[in-house]
Amino acid sequence: NAGVTQTPKFRILKIGQSMTLQCAQDMNHNYMYWYRQDPGMGLKLIYYSVGAGITDKGEVPNGYNVSRSTTEDFPLRLELAAPSQTSVYFCASNSGLAGREQYFGPGTRLTVT
Amino acid sequence: QKEVEQDPGPLSVPEGAIVSLNCTYSNSAFQYFMWYRQYSRKGPELLMYTYSSGNKEDGRFTAQVDKSSKYISLFIRDSQPSDSATYLCVPEGAGGSARQLTFGSGTQLTVLP
Repeated sequence: NAGVTQTPKFRILKIGQSMTLQCAQDMNHNYMYWYRQDPGMGLKLIYYSVGAGITDKGEVPNGYNVSRSTTEDFPLRLELAAPSQTSVYFCASNSGLAGREQYFGPGTRLTVT
Repeated sequence: QKEVEQDPGPLSVPEGAIVSLNCTYSNSAFQYFMWYRQYSRKGPELLMYTYSSGNKEDGRFTAQVDKSSKYISLFIRDSQPSDSATYLCVPEGAGGSARQLTFGSGTQLTVLP
């Protein structure tokens, strides 16, 4: 049971490039989330999903896109990377039932230069 | 006014000290109050949570919520170097869908041996 996995661990992008951050969970959780964490700031919700085929915007969705074709996977797409997207990105999941805990992946450190 | 405000720290204490971490929030609709712990370069993990006002104890950790003053505290007794981490105050239950969480910016704690 790997929990929540994220790839890559680190990435450097040039301004204007695009990339997809991968997230997978093996706990059969319905709810999945993408956050970004900037230094000295709390985690900000980018997008979330309550099940396959259903996604919705969080607090800071601009410049990002998501899809959820399976229960396990929730990739985050960055189009036209900008320096303001330099951050640490965390994916998380929750069962959507009685448990309130969100389980986090190890994060992806992204630098846009 | 931010929804969740935490003492920013950083906080440095000697091993064995009692640590008090504090947080205030503005949304009276919050019902669940969680503390997440985040080690350096790792994803957050749930430490403990309480429902509504009152205290909850788990080993060396005690979470305290005063809904009348919108004040949340986490106490750590007999602090250990392994407690060195950033502690995130996370209230929940303000009516958002999909268990959306509102993260405080975190207090960085270092326990010196």
